[in-house]
Amino acid sequence: QQQVKQSPQSLIVQKGGISIINCAYENTAFDYFPWYQQFPGKGPALLIAIRPDVSEKKEGRFTISFNKSAKQFSLHIMDSQPGDSATYFCAASKAAGNKLTFGGGTRVLVKP
Amino acid sequence: EAGVVQSPRYKIIEKKQPVAFWCNPISGHNTLYWYLQNLGQGPELLIRYENEEAVDDSQLPKDRFSAERLKGVDSTLKIQPAELGDSAVYLCASSPRRSTAGELFFGEGSRLTVL
Repeated sequence: QQQVKQSPQSLIVQKGGISIINCAYENTAFDYFPWYQQFPGKGPALLIAIRPDVSEKKEGRFTISFNKSAKQFSLHIMDSQPGDSATYFCAASKAAGNKLTFGGGTRVLVKP
Repeated sequence: EAGVVQSPRYKIIEKKQPVAFWCNPISGHNTLYWYLQNLGQGPELLIRYENEEAVDDSQLPKDRFSAERLKGVDSTLKIQPAELGDSAVYLCASSPRRSTAGELFFGEGSRLTVL
């Protein structure tokens, strides 16, 4: 059972453009929604996270939008840079630090 | 501060052979995780430790996989015997106990190839 569905699988964006990645979850008990960034040969690293009591969180060029009623959340990367080229994973858990369930990942390529 | 250290980074073995992966978490982190990451997919939890205790091993294939975390610090994940389908990256992560931030710190992973 895939509890967190992520789309698209891959994304190509021009430098300066906006990258948008979407995730949908099924378990209404989830209350913590992080995004992780992974470069080739490296482990995932936390990028930004949100809890369901807010609808949006922004950190620099990265923004999470959260829609609790639709059970969806998305990552927006503004002013995308070549250095943002990586695989992005959404995830969800019932409590912070608890078992994280990851989405399938989105490979983002930012062209200069 | 040193991050999560894993070894070996790469391992190639014949099927039916045993293999072991080692993980040293960030100092002071009580919670340790082993995740499996197949090519092009998201990580999947194999086992979670709180200190020495395995608190969630429901996804660990216990017929061939085993793990231990003696003294609540380093951890070892073993596969015996390995099968072709075990080829993947094995990620270790750690987090502080009762972490309100919820952040997991991952190592660089151990890439296993079973021939």
